[in-house]
Amino acid sequence: AQTVTQSQPEMSVQEAETVTLSCTYDTSESNYYLFWYKQPPSRQMILVIRQEAYKQQNATENRFSVNFQKAAKSFSLKISDSQLGDTAMYFCAFMMYGQNFVFGPGTRLSVLP
Amino acid sequence: NAGVTQTPKFQVLKTGQSMTLQCAQDMNHEYMSWYRQDPGMGLRLIHYSVGAGITDQGEVPNGYNVSRSTTEDFPLRLLSAAPSQTSVYFCASRVGTDSSYEQYFGPGTRLTVT
Repeated sequence: AQTVTQSQPEMSVQEAETVTLSCTYDTSESNYYLFWYKQPPSRQMILVIRQEAYKQQNATENRFSVNFQKAAKSFSLKISDSQLGDTAMYFCAFMMYGQNFVFGPGTRLSVLP
Repeated sequence: NAGVTQTPKFQVLKTGQSMTLQCAQDMNHEYMSWYRQDPGMGLRLIHYSVGAGITDQGEVPNGYNVSRSTTEDFPLRLLSAAPSQTSVYFCASRVGTDSSYEQYFGPGTRLTVT
């Protein structure tokens, strides 16, 4: 079974600085998708960024980018120019083609003024 | 589009009571699922459905039942509530299992069992 690990239960960053959240996963498959979801205090789950494993280019969405290392099974999220609204739980998720999502335990990020 | 809706938002039950958490989506998505979220454990899959009339168990199905009589609705039933079922419950939907399309989540239900 696939597993997703997020080794940082909590992190903090100063406003306007850059922070990187770690995620590793375990699979023997070669075709899959990886996601980062954000859960602010409102509890709503929001998709931040998505990466297809067959794509070598790292995904980018405005201030959010990933460092996808397929051989190392690593999928870290970099948030640039952190804003107070980035304060949230962040979940890394893995999905094999045609299968269910598997979520990591989450990292609680606090952006400090 | 309302997206994925869940009711109620909050619920308190006594041990042994039963209840149904409602979930509906208006995006004509084939795939729907229920998760529970517990501190330090992320979201764990309870049950899922790949279309009307088809349901299957996820990682933590014990104590829960589901049915899918229409594409839109996917209710989750707690048969006899236990304190271990205290959690936040999310319903989600996506286009189908054969795509990488975004999974849309409802706002969640916070359930407390005393």
